[in-house]
Parts: sequence; C-alpha cells; structure tokens
Amino acid sequence: DSGVTQTPKHLITATGQRVTLRCSPRSGDLSVYWYQQSLDQGLQFLIHYYNGEERAKGNILERFSAQQFPDLHSELNLSSLELGDSALYFCASSVRAGQGGEAFFGQGTRLTVV
Amino acid sequence: GENVEQHPSTLSVQEGDSAVIKCTYSDSASNYFPWYKQELGKGPQLIIDIRSNVGEKKDQRIAVTLNKTAKHFSLHITETQPEDSAVYFCAASASHSGGGADGLTFGKGTHLIIQP
Repeated sequence: DSGVTQTPKHLITATGQRVTLRCSPRSGDLSVYWYQQSLDQGLQFLIHYYNGEERAKGNILERFSAQQFPDLHSELNLSSLELGDSALYFCASSVRAGQGGEAFFGQGTRLTVV
Repeated sequence: GENVEQHPSTLSVQEGDSAVIKCTYSDSASNYFPWYKQELGKGPQLIIDIRSNVGEKKDQRIAVTLNKTAKHFSLHITETQPEDSAVYFCAASASHSGGGADGLTFGKGTHLIIQP
C-alpha cells in the first residue's frame, strides 16, 4: 500500500458527460501529480500541484482541469468526455515540489466512456 | 521535450537467471531516473531510482546503472523469482534547483515473464 488513495476505483459514463476523480496524497506529501495510462499512449504526465498551486502542465487537454485543496487532496475534472478518454488515471504524491524526489502512485481510477 | 525509449517490450527469462531492461533518454537536463514495477490491476510501484551524480545503485537483487554521456540507463534483476513477473517502466525527469515541477516521462514498459 503506497498510502495514496484514489476514488472511485471504477467509473463508467457516457460521452459528453463530466466526471471528477479524487486523490488523497500520502500523509505529509505536498505534491500531487496526475497521470493518464492508455494502451496506445502509455503513462503520460497531465498536471502537477504543489501545496495548492499549479506547478506544471503536461499533455493535459483543455477539457481537463485539476485543483488541490487546503487539506492537500486533489481532484481531476474531465468534461465533454469522448470515447478516447477511456483510460486509467493515476495520481502520485511526493514530499517535494520537484520530481527529483520519490513519487508514490495510487491504485488508479479506471474510466470507461461509452 | 523529453523522450524515453525502452527495450525490450517483452522479456522472458528462466527463474534464477538475470534480466536486463534498457532505456535511453533525449534531454541532457534530465537528472532523476526512477524505475517502477506495475502488477496487473495495481498502480506503478517505485522499486529503485538513480540520480545523475551517481553511476550505479544497488538494492538487494536489483541494480540500476546510468551512463550520462550515452544518455542511457539500465535495470538489472538477478536471481529472478516468479514474483518478479510484471511490467517494468523506466522514467526520467529534470528536477531544477529551487523545485522543478516537470513530470516524469515514462518509457513504454517491459513485460517481464519469469518462466518456472
């Protein structure tokens, strides 16, 4: 158990809908990263928050957004969903602001868009 | 941006033999290279990492080597066991002074199969 909690574990929704994925980092970790894992694109970095502030963006679509709350949990919002958004979404947490520190992954949320 | 290539995509070895997975990276600014193990239905698990000021690091049966000049790094697993069967990912990132915020760039993964 990495100590990173993601909910829900599975999510099935229709095209055009909006969903919210939740992540609770390990106790004491200030950084939260979101990644998308799909068969064709592999593991891709989406966005990084540190202590409530956005620090970096990767290959995140404009339809996707995230935030980190004062209690350090984070939410990833996916809107106007398309079939191609079906994937595993992971969050990872780290004590540091930079990725030069160990990052621990949650179990992921499997999103299926039908 | 950074590009990480990983080979092979599938590796089958006999139990007790060694396994080697190789990765190359493109960004000379990258200075942190972790390896993750992912089992079916689970998230990636950090198994070992190395920074650019170190050439080799070992943790029991697992070792990682880094060649900065050639921009490649490798994972070595000795005395393989059935529980080593999983998908292994290499990754790279550039952690800048003052707290860089670049995400990890992952390789495509290697499916390691340990034959009994």
